[in-house]
Amino acid sequence: GAGVSQSPSNKVTEKGKDVELRCDPISGHTALYWYRQRLGQGLEFLIYFQGNSAPDKSGLPSDRFSAERTGESVSTLTIQRTQQEDSAVYLCASSLVAGAGTEAFFGQGTRLTVV
Amino acid sequence: RKEVEQDPGPFNVPEGATVAFNCTYSNSASQSFFWYRQDCRKEPKLLMSVYSSGNEDGRFTAQLNRASQYISLLIRDSKLSDSATYLCVVRGSSGDKLTFGTGTRLAVRP
Repeated sequence: GAGVSQSPSNKVTEKGKDVELRCDPISGHTALYWYRQRLGQGLEFLIYFQGNSAPDKSGLPSDRFSAERTGESVSTLTIQRTQQEDSAVYLCASSLVAGAGTEAFFGQGTRLTVV
Repeated sequence: RKEVEQDPGPFNVPEGATVAFNCTYSNSASQSFFWYRQDCRKEPKLLMSVYSSGNEDGRFTAQLNRASQYISLLIRDSKLSDSATYLCVVRGSSGDKLTFGTGTRLAVRP
């Protein structure tokens, strides 16, 4: 597609439920990132996928969070047993990693509200 | 020490002012540098890449100082529309992930 696409754009869920967030990166981008941004705060790195390398999961805050990526395309971020502190905007970005133009392009995010 | 550090601000400046932001990074082997802009409740968007020799795009000038491991962004003739959060971004080497600073808030007043 023309840009990074995320779905849903908004999600309201009850505490304790599982949620799945989806990201479609720009075609041909081998790198994919997930970030969390709480209201008024900076970007919090969650996970990084790069080609066939093992993902960098160093930012995942707990074992309730997991993410998968199918080849070099779609990624899903799953949050199990959601808590109120999980409420945030979840941003996905993709990029090339070599050559010119390695900047990241962001989707518009999924606003998650846990009630 | 954080990998990428920025002064969170806010910087409050009048229209027409010149304002400068600095950002320091810890990995001396870092190869790629960027400034992003994030408007309230929007996703970050690339403002400009930062090249070793420094580069300019209209009212915006970016500079890299490898010896001191910092990058800077200078905004001349500030406009109300420049009000946003400016994010410093660094990549170690090819294949490394991008690391974002927490951002510097700029508020331009009439």
